[in-house]
Amino acid sequence: QSALTQPASVSGSPGQSITISCTGTSSDVGGYNYVSWYQQHPGKAPKLMIYEVSNRPSGVSNRFSGSKSGNTASLTISGLQAEDEADYYCSSYTSSSTPRVFGGGTKLTVL
Amino acid sequence: QVQLVESGGGLVKPGGSLRLSCAASGFTFSDYYMSWIRQAPGKGLEWVSYISSSGSTIYYADSVKGRFTISRDNAKNSLYLQMNSLRAEDTAVYYCARDGTATTDYWGQGTLVTVSS
Repeated sequence: QSALTQPASVSGSPGQSITISCTGTSSDVGGYNYVSWYQQHPGKAPKLMIYEVSNRPSGVSNRFSGSKSGNTASLTISGLQAEDEADYYCSSYTSSSTPRVFGGGTKLTVL
Repeated sequence: QVQLVESGGGLVKPGGSLRLSCAASGFTFSDYYMSWIRQAPGKGLEWVSYISSSGSTIYYADSVKGRFTISRDNAKNSLYLQMNSLRAEDTAVYYCARDGTATTDYWGQGTLVTVSS
């Protein structure tokens, strides 16, 4: 069982917006502004899409945005495109015995 | 540009050992913490181990503690993972990754480790 909880799957039509949630505890998501989101296409390495809750690395589309409320972080993708179909993982810094935890991943299907 | 290239994966029998390497380029390796993260076939990401820039601070996931050893050679811009007493459940793609400020920002392409008799 993953330390952070994500929905197994979400879907949306091209042009729509979707939101993926990531729920943790006060020891990780809720306690620090160090939540990251990764996109992973089949057979490829994960790619950083959002860091420190809401910051986008250079080169990442502004259609991707992040936020946090309490122990739950969220990734929103607006103007869905076919190329957004992928697995998405959240990660957080944690005060537990290990410095990082991941969510179980969410499969995004663009209908 | 940042490049991380893993090597050393392969097929190994249960109880065997394997040493993974990661060659880093495009950034000042000695300034960054580094991690190993794995992904079992069809499964999610699992953080494995983490080493500080100087090598003085190391963490392991409970699932590999006592069996895996992370190390680095800053003079060679290289990260290593020595894996002993391998089990079937260690079968995964192993990624080398760079750690920024509490964020894992760049990943290698991964190397597949298969533990099977």
